[in-house]
Amino acid sequence: NAGVTQTPKFQVLKTGQSMTLQCAQDMNHNSMYWYRQDPGMGLRLIYYSASEGTTDKGEVPNGYNVSRLNKREFSLRLESAAPSQTSVYFCASRLAGTDMGELFFGEGSRLTVL
Amino acid sequence: QKEVEQDPGPLSVPEGAIVSLNCTYSNSAFQYFMWYRQYSRKGPELLMYTYSSGNKEDGRFTAQVDKSSKYISLFIRDSQPSDSATYLCAMSLGGYNKLIFGAGTRLAVHP
Repeated sequence: NAGVTQTPKFQVLKTGQSMTLQCAQDMNHNSMYWYRQDPGMGLRLIYYSASEGTTDKGEVPNGYNVSRLNKREFSLRLESAAPSQTSVYFCASRLAGTDMGELFFGEGSRLTVL
Repeated sequence: QKEVEQDPGPLSVPEGAIVSLNCTYSNSAFQYFMWYRQYSRKGPELLMYTYSSGNKEDGRFTAQVDKSSKYISLFIRDSQPSDSATYLCAMSLGGYNKLIFGAGTRLAVHP
């Protein structure tokens, strides 16, 4: 059972470089999310896609873009990385619209921007 | 003011202790109340959830919701070193609405 798969797991960037974090889920979930987690800040929502074909800003969208490529895949792009974007990024998915809709997380992608 | 407030700890207890973790919230419309557990360098995983008010028990874990006080708790009985993790509370209106997370409380259970 793969669940939610994120790549890469680790990445070091220089300020100004760009990169894309990839996320795929195999649970036929309709909603997908990108969070960042920083010490003492908890999980902060960057962007989400409630259903295929839609994306919306979360709490901290500045400096990021997303693409819901299809129902399975949701990517997060940093166009010009900044040291403030050093964080652990989590992708998550859920079957929204039915009951509580448990959120399933990937293992995380650790990004360092120098 | 954040929608969900959670003391980040850290909380250190001896093995066998009863642990109480808490969150307060401001939106009285929340219907689903969840606790996620996150081990070091892993993604969070759902531990328990409660719909509306009341208690729910699962083994050594008990989740309580007091909607009148806008306060939720997670109790861990006979705590074990394997319970050492960060515990995040989360709440939702249900349906397609987003989950709102607390900051997480780091718990260490020492032998």
